[in-house]
Amino acid sequence: EPEVTQTPSHQVTQMGQEVILRCVPISNHLYFYWYRQILGQKVEFLVSFYNNEISEKSEIFDDQFSVERPDGSNFTLKIRSTKLEDSAMYFCASSENLVNQPQHFGDGTRLSIL
Amino acid sequence: AQSVAQPEDQVNVAEGNPLTVKCTYSVSGNPYLFWYVQYPNRGLQFLLKYITGDNLVKGSYGFEAEFNKSQTSFHLKKPSALVSDSALYFCAVRDITGGGNKLTFGTGTQLKVEL
Repeated sequence: EPEVTQTPSHQVTQMGQEVILRCVPISNHLYFYWYRQILGQKVEFLVSFYNNEISEKSEIFDDQFSVERPDGSNFTLKIRSTKLEDSAMYFCASSENLVNQPQHFGDGTRLSIL
Repeated sequence: AQSVAQPEDQVNVAEGNPLTVKCTYSVSGNPYLFWYVQYPNRGLQFLLKYITGDNLVKGSYGFEAEFNKSQTSFHLKKPSALVSDSALYFCAVRDITGGGNKLTFGTGTQLKVEL
């Protein structure tokens, strides 16, 4: 069964550094998402992306965050200047369409900011 | 605004017994509802969804869920629990009428199935 793959599985970064989290969505999917889960808290929506542009974003997704689909397969989340509170598990997801298909999630990248 | 409540942090059940994991939701319009399961160090794995039609939906691994509009609930059930069902379960909602495509998740319920 096709899967969403995320790399790296664990990223350790110094505060203030830029970090890029990578995702390869399922190949025929058109909608892409990032969520995060701070340790012990609920999974929170960050951003959705369709047709090469952001379709929706949350309050968390401020100017420090950006997303990009640099080629036909990758989908990236960039945090420009990381803060301690960015430490979390970041999940990428994709779906075939918007209307009634579920979002399929990757295994996540654990981001640790020192 | 949309929200999901999972009132139980943990549910314990004996193997072979039926299990229920509770979920209630709040949306301004019509909901799409989902259950996901998370095993340790893994992502969220889709179990089942309610979009429209039959209130009882069946999903993977013998799980089912019942949509109750009057009680705004979408409880997850399984007739006979297995030890391998032990995991973290998340209920999620998408407000199809209010627009947007984000999923809003509950806080999760840890299911522990014991021999």
